[in-house]
Amino acid sequence: GENVEQHPSTLSVQEGDSAVIKCTYSDSASNYFPWYKQELGKGPQLIIDIRSNVGEKKDQRIAVTLNKTAKHFSLHITETQPEDSAVYFCFFSGGSNYKLTFGKGTLLTVNP
Amino acid sequence: GAGVSQSPSNKVTEKGKDVELRCDPISGHTALYWYRQSLGQGLEFLIYFQGNSAPDKSGLPSDRFSAERTGGSVSTLTIQRTQQEDSAVYLCASSSGQGSSYEQYFGPGTRLTVT
Repeated sequence: GENVEQHPSTLSVQEGDSAVIKCTYSDSASNYFPWYKQELGKGPQLIIDIRSNVGEKKDQRIAVTLNKTAKHFSLHITETQPEDSAVYFCFFSGGSNYKLTFGKGTLLTVNP
Repeated sequence: GAGVSQSPSNKVTEKGKDVELRCDPISGHTALYWYRQSLGQGLEFLIYFQGNSAPDKSGLPSDRFSAERTGGSVSTLTIQRTQQEDSAVYLCASSSGQGSSYEQYFGPGTRLTVT
């Protein structure tokens, strides 16, 4: 199956700081790279996604960057707020086996 | 509009019993996914339905797990002879696109506890 590595597993920042989460993958067959946010007791929710024809996409305080050569994509959150505290997952749907794979998740804590 | 719904929200069962978990996707969504999330862990893919095509069952962990999707809408995940390691949150998601390169809309999940 697809090998997707997500780092870090936990991240603690002060309110107003930036947070960066990275996912690397081993197969280059995918063209779709989303990030999901999961709050406690809820299902994950898409917050931003990017397709392989662009290198960066922004939506207010959130951005995703893609480096297909290096096979990694990253989530950037600027001016973090306490409500950004959640678990964030990357998702990968490519690969020779066409496996649907979520990263292991990053627990982000934003301290007031 | 209505999102993805799942029932029951919580299920406690004894080891060895069978359980059925239900998912009602967003109306008109052709794709439906089941995932399992163990405590503090990521999401493990179980099965994927796309329209009338044969489902992708490659993520099912054993033959005790099966799923159906009737009429291209409601889906039921069945776990036979439950084991304690089956305890987890089972999440369902639906999507409007062809293939898995589209936003997935998740339900709130069913928390299964096997005693």
